[in-house]
Amino acid sequence: LAKTTQPISMDSYEGQEVNITCSHNNIATNDYITWYQQFPSQGPRFIIQGYKTKVTNEVASLFIPADRKSSTLSLPRVSLSDTAVYYCLVNTGTASKLTFGTGTRLQVTL
Amino acid sequence: DAGVTQSPTHLIKTRGQQVTLRCSPKSGHDTVSWYQQALGQGPQFIFQYYEEEERQRGNFPDRFSGHQFPNYSSELNVNALLLGDSALYLCASSFFEGLPLFFGSGTQLSVL
Repeated sequence: LAKTTQPISMDSYEGQEVNITCSHNNIATNDYITWYQQFPSQGPRFIIQGYKTKVTNEVASLFIPADRKSSTLSLPRVSLSDTAVYYCLVNTGTASKLTFGTGTRLQVTL
Repeated sequence: DAGVTQSPTHLIKTRGQQVTLRCSPKSGHDTVSWYQQALGQGPQFIFQYYEEEERQRGNFPDRFSGHQFPNYSSELNVNALLLGDSALYLCASSFFEGLPLFFGSGTQLSVL
């Protein structure tokens, strides 16, 4: 399984765009990149998944360069409610054995 | 449409006891996975059930066992509880082993 590396924590002000970068140097050809968000005392919530280039949904964008050795989760105009832990995962696109790291703790303030 | 529901929400046990946690998957989902999340850590995969069989297993001892019922609900059993088993136990469901996973809010287990 590809190991992921992401910053332990990030701080942002409300209304700013936040970009969280994840490194996955050993990603395999059939691996997808998935991001989850987790609030205290809740289970992780799926944000976005991609394989290459750019994926966008109503919540976030995911940028994946051609070599796929890293990816960036972009959260536009964050609010206080976006304060959470964000996990970057590399997986085969199935629900099997998802490997979570320690995630990035995002703190949004006024 | 109910999401993934888990019961109980909190549980306190003593060392050596046994515990059973329950999970009902999201409507339309047939695959259930269980994860253990220690404080300050990411969730760790325990096992996955599909068609009432254990399909995948993480690095957890045999004290951790499970079951999936015909209605796709699932149970996680932990025998001979250790202090280190104290954690948030998360259930996640999906359709046909695919993504994304939908997680419940978890059961907070405290072993004293």
